[in-house]
Amino acid sequence: GQSLEQPSEVTAVEGAIVQINCTYQTSGFYGLSWYQQHDGGAPTFLSYNALDGLEETGRFSSFLSRSDSYGYLLLQELQMKDSASYFCAVRGRGGSARQLTFGSGTQLTVLP
Amino acid sequence: DSGVTQTPKHLITATGQRVTLRCSPRSGDLSVYWYQQSLDQGLQFLIQYYNGEERAKGNILERFSAQQFPDLHSELNLSSLELGDSALYFCASSTGTGESRRSSYNEQFFGPGTRLTVL
Repeated sequence: GQSLEQPSEVTAVEGAIVQINCTYQTSGFYGLSWYQQHDGGAPTFLSYNALDGLEETGRFSSFLSRSDSYGYLLLQELQMKDSASYFCAVRGRGGSARQLTFGSGTQLTVLP
Repeated sequence: DSGVTQTPKHLITATGQRVTLRCSPRSGDLSVYWYQQSLDQGLQFLIQYYNGEERAKGNILERFSAQQFPDLHSELNLSSLELGDSALYFCASSTGTGESRRSSYNEQFFGPGTRLTVL
């Protein structure tokens, strides 16, 4: 099976940088994805890491280290609109393990 | 707007009943995924179809079933409904199977969801 752990809540101020960590246990997976979800809304895709290292998309960056079973989402120049829940997710490899598992989500609150 | 449509937006029904949720993927996407999200909970993956065939299965209850039709739209059938089935049900679509190293093949686009209330 697969399991992912994320902090339940993170608080930061506008303009700051915040890192949301995701540690996982899985026998094998294709890559680590990150999604953002505002209250009452649908999740939206942020990033995907298939290989170790950093992927940068504007103010958001995501990192993966397979050897450490660890990834993170880095949000820079925080804005009020970044207040949302953030989920990491993995897609397992092969057979019955080929399911998608999402972390329980991190509620980010950005303060003025 | 993600391009994924779901109907209905809201559904209120009674315990023991059966309902069908409908999803139309983005044009060109071959994969459809179904998720359940209970109040203040994360996303629980139910099932994925790729080009009409079941591709991956999560912890989907036996009372639930799904299918993907030749025009690639999908339906999720929930039967013998219980109070605990009340949740937001999301459908998502992607270009590929989700088993690629290419981000663009794995990126899922979510519909607005169907809020199911079982009384």
